[in-house]
Amino acid sequence: GENVEQHPSTLSVQEGDSAVIKCTYSDSASNYFPWYKQELGKRPQLIIDIRSNVGEKKDQRIAVTLNKTAKHFSLHITETQPEDSAVYFCAASGFQKLVFGTGTRLLVSP
Amino acid sequence: DTGVSQNPRHKITKRGQNVTFRCDPISEHNRLYWYRQTLGQGPEFLTYFQNEAQLEKSRLLSDRFSAERPKGSFSTLEIQRTEQGDSAMYLCASSLSGPSLGYTFGSGTRLTVV
Repeated sequence: GENVEQHPSTLSVQEGDSAVIKCTYSDSASNYFPWYKQELGKRPQLIIDIRSNVGEKKDQRIAVTLNKTAKHFSLHITETQPEDSAVYFCAASGFQKLVFGTGTRLLVSP
Repeated sequence: DTGVSQNPRHKITKRGQNVTFRCDPISEHNRLYWYRQTLGQGPEFLTYFQNEAQLEKSRLLSDRFSAERPKGSFSTLEIQRTEQGDSAMYLCASSLSGPSLGYTFGSGTRLTVV
């Protein structure tokens, strides 16, 4: 089955810096790669996703890149703000269910 | 429709007791998923339904766990003879026919086994 690895587990940046979180997946049949943000005590919220027929997608300060050959995808957050502090999860799926990474705790210091 | 609803939000139970959680998905969603999340970890897949059919169960779902979706609408997850290791957040999600179509999580049920 699918296995998703995510790193780093924690990431501390200064406000205004960029943050990059990386994930790898094992199942070459996976074709959908969402990213979720989870604040303490709340449900995971979808922030951006990418499908396997696209190499890059951007939404304001957030971008995701996908390298199908390497089975690798990344989340990029530019101009980070304190409200970006949260746990971020990557996930991968085919047509069945999402398999999640172990999460990255992002801390943005003012 | 206000999204995916889970009840109760919190449950404290004594070890050995049975507990049941309920999930009401978004009405037009035919897929329903259960996940378990422990502190500092990502959601771990437990099982999913397409309409009333349970299509996949994780190895994590021991014989003490059972899930149903009798009419293809709401679902229940029951844990029998609870153990302290069952303490976790149990998340439900629903989607249209695949994960890339409107995948939405509920707020979860936090189970504490004492």
